[in-house]
Amino acid sequence: KNQVEQSPQSLIILEGKNCTLQCNYTVSPFSNLRWYKQDTGRGPVSLTIMTFSENTKSNGRYTATLDADTKQSSLHITASQLSDSASYICVVRGNAGNMLTFGGGTRLMVKP
Amino acid sequence: GAVVSQHPSRVICKSGTSVKIECRSLDFQATTMFWYRQFPKQSLMLMATSNEGSKATYEQGVEKDKFLINHASLTLSTLTVTSAHPEDSSFYICSASASGLETQYFGPGTRLLVL
Repeated sequence: KNQVEQSPQSLIILEGKNCTLQCNYTVSPFSNLRWYKQDTGRGPVSLTIMTFSENTKSNGRYTATLDADTKQSSLHITASQLSDSASYICVVRGNAGNMLTFGGGTRLMVKP
Repeated sequence: GAVVSQHPSRVICKSGTSVKIECRSLDFQATTMFWYRQFPKQSLMLMATSNEGSKATYEQGVEKDKFLINHASLTLSTLTVTSAHPEDSSFYICSASASGLETQYFGPGTRLLVL
């Protein structure tokens, strides 16, 4: 069964600090992995997309890594800001059709 | 990226009434649209997949007669929650894809509260 597990479930950090969110998946065959940011009461917004051959991809203060061998991904947020408070969702797409497997998300709260 | 809109953004209705939610792709033709439901502090759960001009495919456990989906054009899909009950209160999110295998672009969501 395709699964995506995220950790931690929730995280509180101080403004300006860095943090790393984890995503482990069992989706096979694998097509790509996206990290989304979802603000409360809003739809998900894509931060990064990574394919099998990509190890690291950055988008501003967000850096995603992918280890396709161990089926793990991480999202590193540098110099956190209050506006980073949101849920971060790891979504894996398999090669079979367009079905997406969603992780449970990590709820990040950045405090001043 | 592509823009997907939803209307209304939030709706409150009485139990037993029906509510229609619209999902529009504003700058591309979406042959496939997806409807998700999200309960508080949970991730998105796929309800159904609809292809333009054909019947929607519902996920296991989702009542097709309760959640009516229409995808009559390449830019519009609607979800109608019929005879809504308080347990239908949730955040409904649509996504649109240019084809069944292309990237899904998510709408901003619709918050439904059934009293």
